[in-house]
Amino acid sequence: DAKTTQPPSMDCAEGRAANLPCNHSTISGNEYVYWYRQIHSQGPQYIIHGLKNNETNEMASLIITEDRKSSTLILPHATLRDTAVYYCIVRVEGGATNKLIFGTGTLLAVQP
Amino acid sequence: NAGVMQNPRHLVRRRGQEARLRCSPMKGHSHVYWYRQLPEEGLKFMVYLQKENIIDESGMPKERFSAEFPKEGPSILRIQQVVRGDSAAYFCASSPPGLYEQYFGPGTRLTVT
Repeated sequence: DAKTTQPPSMDCAEGRAANLPCNHSTISGNEYVYWYRQIHSQGPQYIIHGLKNNETNEMASLIITEDRKSSTLILPHATLRDTAVYYCIVRVEGGATNKLIFGTGTLLAVQP
Repeated sequence: NAGVMQNPRHLVRRRGQEARLRCSPMKGHSHVYWYRQLPEEGLKFMVYLQKENIIDESGMPKERFSAEFPKEGPSILRIQQVVRGDSAAYFCASSPPGLYEQYFGPGTRLTVT
């Protein structure tokens, strides 16, 4: 699975959009971009995933660049409960294993 | 639909004892994964199981650790002769066949004294 690079930490004001970047310059054509988050001491939570088109669900939007070498997770109106470590993971779907390889992620601190 | 359930939530064992961690996947999910998070470290994959089969155990320590997912009942992660370095949060995740999002349980926090 391709490696990802994320900033170690970011701040965001409550109510504003949080934009979390991820670089995955070695991504392969059949690898998807997944985002998970881990709120302190809890189990990781699936947020969203995509291949090349932008995706949106009730939690967030995922913007993937045309060359697929980077992506941005957008939380449109961050709340204090969105404070968490956010992980960007790239992996092949339908491969021999479904394992997730977590990096160090971005600690998003939403400030009141 | 209940989420992934793990028990116990907290487990204290003395060095040399056995630890058994249980994971009940979400209804309809036949794939189970175990991950470990050591204090102040990231999540590390341990093992991936389907009913009665181990698919990928590349992250499992070679000794003292085993996992199973029987036809009936929860998945079990078993740690024999625990040592202090086994103290960690152990998370279980599940997914249905054909979908690749994994849904995580709340974890079991193992403390070895």
